[in-house]
Order: sequence, then structure tokens, then C-alpha cells
Amino acid sequence: GENVEQHPSTLSVQEGDSAVIKCTYSDSASNYFPWYKQELGKRPQLIIDIRSNVGEKKDQRIAVTLNKTAKHFSLHITETQPEDSAVYFCAAGPLAGNMLTFGGGTRLMVKP
Amino acid sequence: GAVVSQHPSWVICKSGTSVKIECRSLDFQATTMFWYRQFPKQSLMLMATSNEGSKATYEQGVEKDKFLINHASLTLSTLTVTSAHPEDSSFYICSAGDSGLTDTQYFGPGTRLTVL
Repeated sequence: GENVEQHPSTLSVQEGDSAVIKCTYSDSASNYFPWYKQELGKRPQLIIDIRSNVGEKKDQRIAVTLNKTAKHFSLHITETQPEDSAVYFCAAGPLAGNMLTFGGGTRLMVKP
Repeated sequence: GAVVSQHPSWVICKSGTSVKIECRSLDFQATTMFWYRQFPKQSLMLMATSNEGSKATYEQGVEKDKFLINHASLTLSTLTVTSAHPEDSSFYICSAGDSGLTDTQYFGPGTRLTVL
């Protein structure tokens, strides 16, 4: 089955700096890579996703890159703000609503 | 985006009782829903895949007789924790995808179960 590794487990940055979270996956059949943000006690919220036919995707301050050959993908947050502080999870899976395998999560702390 | 609801949001029960958790897709139909379990400060672990009109598919190590899943309609899946014990205390979250439009999965708000 799929195995997703996520690094780092914790990340502390100063407000305004950039944050990068990296994930690797094992199953070459995975084609869908979403990123979720989870605040304490709340549901994971999808913030961005990328499919295997795309190498990079950007949405305002958030971008995701995918290297299918190396089986890794990364989340980039620029100009971080205190409200970006949360736990971020990467995930990998096949397309069409199939199950996702999650990384271990990264606790991001943005210091004002 | 699509809305997924869960009920109850939290429950406290005595050891040995059974607890039912509902997961509903409010504005779309979901032939497949997923149930996850999350311990404090840990990642989401997939427990089972709930399939409308057929048996659920359980992940390795998840007892199907303890975690009963029923997906009787295209908008409702239920997870019943039978004979709950303190070690079953956790945050249970469901997700569903509007597979008719996109493969994006949307999560319910979660149910915090505490077994005394």
C-alpha cells in the first residue's frame, strides 16, 4: 500500500518568512496530492491540491510542487501570517474519490 | 465547497456501551465515504471505506465487528463503536468526495468520543 512521509514534524517561522513542508510517497499509482490545514479540534480543510499531470500549482500565498519521478511533493507558504499557524497534512491517493493516505503532519508556528 | 456534517460532535459514554456516529453529505451524493481516527497530536488513520449499498472495506488491524459501518443511502454513513472501551476514546472524522464532479474529499467536523 501507499506510505507517505512528511517533514518536518514541527516548523517555526517568523511572520513574513516562507515555510516549506515536504512529503514523499511510495506508490507510483498515486495521482492526487491534496494538502489539508487542521486547526486544533477542527476538521481538516483542503487548502490546495495537485494532480499528476501538473508540476506546480499556485493559489495566492500557497503553492505546491510535484516531482513524480522522485515521488515527492512540497507545500510552500510565502509571507506567513500568525493565522497560518496550524497542523498541515499532505496526502496521496488515486484519483476519483478514492482513499487517501496521510503524512504524519507538520505543526507550523508563525511568530508575530 | 461541498458540506459534510457529523453527529454528534462529542460524546461521553460508559465502558461497554455502543455509540453511533453519523456522517452526512449535505449537498451532494457520495457513493463512498471514509472513516478516520485521530489520536491527539497524530495524523489521520484510515479505518474503513464505506460503500453505499455494499459492505465496508476495513483497513488492516481494524476490527469490523467492533466498528460497524452502514452506508444505507447516498448521503449517510454511520459508524457504530460497539462495546466501547477507554482505548477507543479518540477523534473520529469522516470524509466524502463528490466523485461526480471532482476527486476532492471533504471532511466532517469530527466526533470526539470519550469512554469512561
